[in-house]
This record gives sequence, structure tokens and C-alpha cells, in this order.
Amino acid sequence: KNQVEQSPQSLIILEGKNCTLQCNYTVSPFSNLRWYKQDTGRGPVSLTIMTFSENTKSNGRYTATLDADTKQSSLHITASQLSDSASYICVVSAAGGTSYGKLTFGQGTILTVHP
Amino acid sequence: EADIYQTPRYLVIGTGKKITLECSQTMGHDKMYWYQQDPGMELHLIHYSYGVNSTEKGDLSSESTVSRIRTEHFPLTLESARPSHTSQYLCASSESVGTQYFGPGTRLTVL
Repeated sequence: KNQVEQSPQSLIILEGKNCTLQCNYTVSPFSNLRWYKQDTGRGPVSLTIMTFSENTKSNGRYTATLDADTKQSSLHITASQLSDSASYICVVSAAGGTSYGKLTFGQGTILTVHP
Repeated sequence: EADIYQTPRYLVIGTGKKITLECSQTMGHDKMYWYQQDPGMELHLIHYSYGVNSTEKGDLSSESTVSRIRTEHFPLTLESARPSHTSQYLCASSESVGTQYFGPGTRLTVL
């Protein structure tokens, strides 16, 4: 069964600090991995997308890494801001056959940034 | 910013009522999706469409139905709402199997 596990479930940090969120997946065959940011009461917004051949991608203060061999990804947030408080969701897309394009969502990590 | 809209944003309704959640996108995307998300939980796909007159059920069984008469419009209907339908409903669209763009969601409460 395709699964995406994220850790930690929740995280509290002070404004200006860095943090790293983890994502482990068992989706196979793998197509791509996306990180989404979901503000409370809003729909998710895409931050990064990585395919099998990419091992790092940045979007401003967000840097995602991917290790396709160990099936792990991380999202690193640098110099956190209050507006970074949100749920961060790891989403893995399957490739091939009837699973093509099928998305498996993680539960998300709830990040709270305090002043 | 994605051009995908959902109405209403919040809905409180009594048991047994028929409701329709609206979703529209102006990006010309062929693919559209409906997800259900309970607080603190992951999104679950309940319906998707690959184009006009195409609708399929998703991974999570749902008593709701959908229609796709126009490319830009993908409404979801519950014929008889129940408290168990209380949840957040998110609509999304995409080109091919690319990034899905999500609407703001409808938070439904059935009393």
C-alpha cells in the first residue's frame, strides 16, 4: 500500500530560527514528490516539486531535498517568519499503469512560529 | 496565485438538506478533483474528472455526486446531508498530471 509518513506531527519554533520537516514514502513506482503549504482554512499551495533525478530544489527560504534510494525527503525552512505558520504536506505521485498520476498525501506537519 | 474558486466558503446546514458545493477554474485545466479533509488529517480524493462528461470516484467512498458539463465547472452535490458529512471539501485542478492547484475550500457543518 502506498503511504507517506511525515514527522514531526507538529513543531513550534521561534521567529528567525531554521527548521527541517521530514517525509518518508513507500509509493512505487515513484514519479515525483511535492511539498505543499496549507494555511489554516485555506487550500494547499505548491512550494516545490522534484522528480527522481533531482535531489534538491529551492523556493526562496524553502529548500527541499530528495533521496530516491532511501525514499526520504526533507523541507528546510530558513530564517522562519510568523507567516510560515501553517501545515506542510508532502505529496507523492505514482508513475505507470493504473496508478499514473495518483497522489498519496501525508498527514502534514503543523508548524507554529512564535515571535 | 491559482484561479480556482469555491463557494460557499462556509456552510452550516440541517440534516436531510440537499446541498451543492461549487467549484470553478479559469485556467482551462482538463483535470479537476474533489478532496475531503478532516481537521488535522490528510486529504482524501473523493471524485475526479479528466474532462467534460468524465467523472470517476476516488479512493475514499463518498455519498456525494459530481458532474462535469463544462470544463471550468465541477460542482459536488449531497442529496441528503448528514452530520457524518461534516468536513472540509477542497477542489483542485491540473494540467495533465502536473501540479494541482487548490481552491480555498468549503467548510461544511451538518447539524
